[in-house]
Amino acid sequence: GAGVSQSPRYKVAKRGQDVALRCDPISGHVSLFWYQQALGQGPEFLTYFQNEAQLDKSGLPSDRFFAERPEGSVSTLKIQRTQQEDSAVYLCAKGLITGELFFGEGSRLTVL
Amino acid sequence: AQRVTQPEKLLSVFKGAPVELKCNYSYSGSPELFWYVQYSRQRLQLLLRHISRESIKGFTADLNKGETSFHLKKPFAQEEDSAMYYCALKDNNDMRFGAGTRLTVKP
Repeated sequence: GAGVSQSPRYKVAKRGQDVALRCDPISGHVSLFWYQQALGQGPEFLTYFQNEAQLDKSGLPSDRFFAERPEGSVSTLKIQRTQQEDSAVYLCAKGLITGELFFGEGSRLTVL
Repeated sequence: AQRVTQPEKLLSVFKGAPVELKCNYSYSGSPELFWYVQYSRQRLQLLLRHISRESIKGFTADLNKGETSFHLKKPFAQEEDSAMYYCALKDNNDMRFGAGTRLTVKP
């Protein structure tokens, strides 16, 4: 079954820097989700892929956020010109056939 | 729009006491509801889903469409139940989470 591998686990960026967060749904899965979890909050939906197609990106908070999954496997979430309000844990999850989500351990981004 | 509300951010009980974590939802249709749990320094993981009507680690949750609730219950809490609990509602491919309740079970 394997899991979901996210890297880096921790990232500290200076305001204005670009960051890239990686998600590998080990053993492959059709659907892949990105969530943002701010401190003290529940996960907030960002975007969803089915294979390489980004079917829903309605949750991306601004045009500084960009996600891709070019070969339908590994996905990258890119944040340009980071701001302090981008500080959060970014969670990646794969959708299982049972309807649930299987989450990775997350990437904690701190913008100074 | 779908929405999930967990009214309690914090809940503390003594070991052996019953526990109920509240979840209310708003959804125009037949909801598919889940409870996820996050133990300290672990990933967010599924606890149970309403459609399977199962009991996991002694927890159960009943969907009450009249009250639009999906409260999580356990008759006798254990210290290892201390964790963050999130109620979630699935609409097609969109899984929406509540803000979570931190449960602390005291010895």
